[in-house]
Amino acid sequence: GAGVSQSPSNKVTEKGKDVELRCDPISGHTALYWYRQRLGQGLEFLIYFQGNSAPDKSGLPSDRFSAERTGESVSTLTIQRTQQEDSAVYLCASSLMNVEAFFGQGTRLTVV
Amino acid sequence: AQKVTQAQTEISVVEKEDVTLDCVYETRDTTYYLFWYKQPPSGELVFLIRRNSFDEQNEISGRYSWNFQKSTSSFNFTITASQVVDSAVYFCALSGPLMGNTPLVFGKGTRLSVIA
Repeated sequence: GAGVSQSPSNKVTEKGKDVELRCDPISGHTALYWYRQRLGQGLEFLIYFQGNSAPDKSGLPSDRFSAERTGESVSTLTIQRTQQEDSAVYLCASSLMNVEAFFGQGTRLTVV
Repeated sequence: AQKVTQAQTEISVVEKEDVTLDCVYETRDTTYYLFWYKQPPSGELVFLIRRNSFDEQNEISGRYSWNFQKSTSSFNFTITASQVVDSAVYFCALSGPLMGNTPLVFGKGTRLSVIA
């Protein structure tokens, strides 16, 4: 596609349920990033994929968070046993080497 | 460790005023990249500019200009003759020597409100 696509755009879930967020990067982009943005806050790095290298998971806040990416295609971010503190906008970005990152519109997650 | 500080949390200006958004960074890398992104109320981050650490020339693009000073580790952003459409949150970001091969580290953002 022309840009980074994220789905769903909005997700409301009950506390304790698992959720999956999807990111379709720009075709051909080797790098893919997930960030979390709480209301009125900055961007918190979660995880980074680059090609077939091992992902940089240093930003994942707990073992309830995990992410997968197959090759240079779609990525899914999974949050297990969601908590109210997980409520945020989850942003995905992709890039080529030596090119700036382009962001999707985000998934707004609300845990009730 | 890399760090980006945007000390101004919120700025409010009257339309047509000039405004400068500050960004100070910390890194141990000798080669690095700096970025500014705009996040309008719609929420999507829009790329504005990137600058590598070897290029200290200031850049102007229309009403936007950027002042990169390695000596003070700053990469400030000025909007001249501000307009209501400039109202947004602006983020400064930093990446390591291989742009696209390391995650971007963001500042906490500066919320700019331009009042008509």
